[in-house]
Amino acid sequence: QKEVEQDPGPLSVPEGAIVSLNCTYSNSAFQYFMWYRQYSRKGPELLMYTYSSGNKEDGRFTAQVDKSSKYISLFIRDSQPSDSATYLCAMSGEGSTLGRLYFGRGTQLTVWP
Amino acid sequence: NAGVMQNPRHLVRRRGQEARLRCSPMKGHSHVYWYRQLPEEGLKFMVYLQKENIIDESGMPKERFSAEFPKEGPSILRIQQVVRGDSAAYFCASSPLASGSNEQFFGPGTRLTVL
Repeated sequence: QKEVEQDPGPLSVPEGAIVSLNCTYSNSAFQYFMWYRQYSRKGPELLMYTYSSGNKEDGRFTAQVDKSSKYISLFIRDSQPSDSATYLCAMSGEGSTLGRLYFGRGTQLTVWP
Repeated sequence: NAGVMQNPRHLVRRRGQEARLRCSPMKGHSHVYWYRQLPEEGLKFMVYLQKENIIDESGMPKERFSAEFPKEGPSILRIQQVVRGDSAAYFCASSPLASGSNEQFFGPGTRLTVL
């Protein structure tokens, strides 16, 4: 079993739709949770960063962490064609494992006008 | 404020040659990480370095791969005697970390092609 599971999609939605992206994980030691956006042939761009459980909102983006279910989500409201990219979830533990991020495979999203 | 810089952006090597990938972290960041992204796969951790120290190299292949982050200059990921399976995108990230934050900011990557 992989430590981080993420459905690769592809996911295709119309402009203005609400997008839900998810990851599950198996390691209960994970405490830091991130979402990155990666455009084709570019480096990942940090979108959201959360610690432990709870919700975090930033503009059209909301990140949720449910540690009891080992499940994290990213919601995109009022999606735009410019949101078309691959979305990667990432997570890490604390202490000696703080620096190592574990990534999902990424979900490819297309928002069509 | 410049972001993480990597060079070269594209590197072509023949089997058996050496590849050197360079990474300059963001200003004020003293922690550097290297990841590899194979086609159709997610990013895989390779190594975590601070200035003059390797903190975690648990993701590095045991042979042919090495990394350093000297007191002066960029971090270097070195691959000796490259093979076709080394063809991938190699990303560097940096973080301040001193504050306890684990936010990692990525560079544009180096795409290595081994002929």
